[in-house]
Amino acid sequence: DVKVTQSSRYLVKRTGEKVFLECVQDMDHENMFWYRQDPGLGLRLIYFSYDVKMKEKGDIPEGYSVSREKKERFSLILESASTNQTSMYLCASSIPTGAGTGEIGNTIYFGEGSWLTVV
Amino acid sequence: QKEVEQNSGPLSVPEGAIASLNCTYSDRGSQSFFWYRQYSGKSPELIMFIYSNGDKEDGRFTAQLNKASQYVSLLIRDSQPSDSATYLCAVDSGAGSYQLTFGKGTKLSVIP
Repeated sequence: DVKVTQSSRYLVKRTGEKVFLECVQDMDHENMFWYRQDPGLGLRLIYFSYDVKMKEKGDIPEGYSVSREKKERFSLILESASTNQTSMYLCASSIPTGAGTGEIGNTIYFGEGSWLTVV
Repeated sequence: QKEVEQNSGPLSVPEGAIASLNCTYSDRGSQSFFWYRQYSGKSPELIMFIYSNGDKEDGRFTAQLNKASQYVSLLIRDSQPSDSATYLCAVDSGAGSYQLTFGKGTKLSVIP
């Protein structure tokens, strides 16, 4: 089974604090992602990484940064937390799927989520 | 801007009925299509994926894809109360892409 682990499940932070959200996957996946999910807005991609030390901005990178020093670990950093960053944060990793059948896609597997409240 | 559209619901079906969930997408270059189930307060979990036009069956679930109409659906046969959840449709950004674009989900309620 694919295992994506988010170490912090529930956090309460103060405005202006620096926040680290950690994510580890144990399946040697190349690609890792950070999403946030808000009611009515769905899942929105913040950043993704397709290799160690490589990162790409997603749809809503403002106010966030990421770090990927090792293949299995992808961290999301809120440099100065604000109340509008209160959300559920989902880490994910992906693996090419169906290569043996000639059908290529990337299947995404999610961690359990981190609920962040900024007060 | 790539779009994936789903009816937000809620969709209510009686226990034992067939639930039909629909999704349309805007990018004609999309190659792979996914259905995720998300229980309240939990993270999305993969149900199934489909790449080719037609039907793909996995237990009580059937995914249907029509690339010409840019339409993908999920049928749940013999619906159970435990199927009550939000179902997310996700679509890739073309061959070889890493990213998926997610719809906002359809909330399904199966009434005992």
